[in-house]
Amino acid sequence: QVQLVESGGGVVQPGRSLRLSCAASKFTFTTYGMHWVRQAPGKGLEWVAVASYDGGYKDYADSVKGRFTISRDNSKNTLYLQMNGLRAEDTAVYYCAKESSLGNAFDFWGQGTVVTVSS
Amino acid sequence: QSALTQPASVSGSPGQSITISCTGTSSDVGGYNYVSWYQQHPGKGPKLMIYDVSKRPSGVSNRFSGSKSGNTASLTISGLQAEDEADYYCSSYTTTTTWVFGGGTKLTVL
Repeated sequence: QVQLVESGGGVVQPGRSLRLSCAASKFTFTTYGMHWVRQAPGKGLEWVAVASYDGGYKDYADSVKGRFTISRDNSKNTLYLQMNGLRAEDTAVYYCAKESSLGNAFDFWGQGTVVTVSS
Repeated sequence: QSALTQPASVSGSPGQSITISCTGTSSDVGGYNYVSWYQQHPGKGPKLMIYDVSKRPSGVSNRFSGSKSGNTASLTISGLQAEDEADYYCSSYTTTTTWVFGGGTKLTVL
């Protein structure tokens, strides 16, 4: 069964940086686009960013464009999210999600990593 | 990109059917057959229940079905069971080559 394990969350002050990782296993990582999706406390899901199967295409939500950078290392089966200039409103659980081979959807999700931006 | 509109809550008794709506615009729900639905239990990551408006992944009960009319998509759960109690989110691909989610619907099984 597909496994996605996020790490790197924590408590950080406003304006600082954090890098999240998502270790993927039990599927051919190099074949699929990968996404980051976040969920603020008590709120709904918000799509954050996508990286194509080879990292050649990347896109971002307007709310993080210019501050966050998605990347992937296919030799390590790992997805990353570099978050700079963090704001209080970036506080959330961050999930990585695998793009489905069946259609335009996210077919597997990790358990999430918590990011808290607070002074 | 504005979030898709879902009712905050719905409820039903075991064995009954419920429908959750998801309203967007012609730039997302109405423009593509790329609506998906996710189930999320407390403290867990979301689970894909429906993709491409009405298709079910392997392993998902046929009690779950999806449809779309214009800018509104719907998820119907028939034969409600206690384990269906969860939050449900719709999602759609958009014309700006990004994805948007609904605000979520809390399903209570009475």
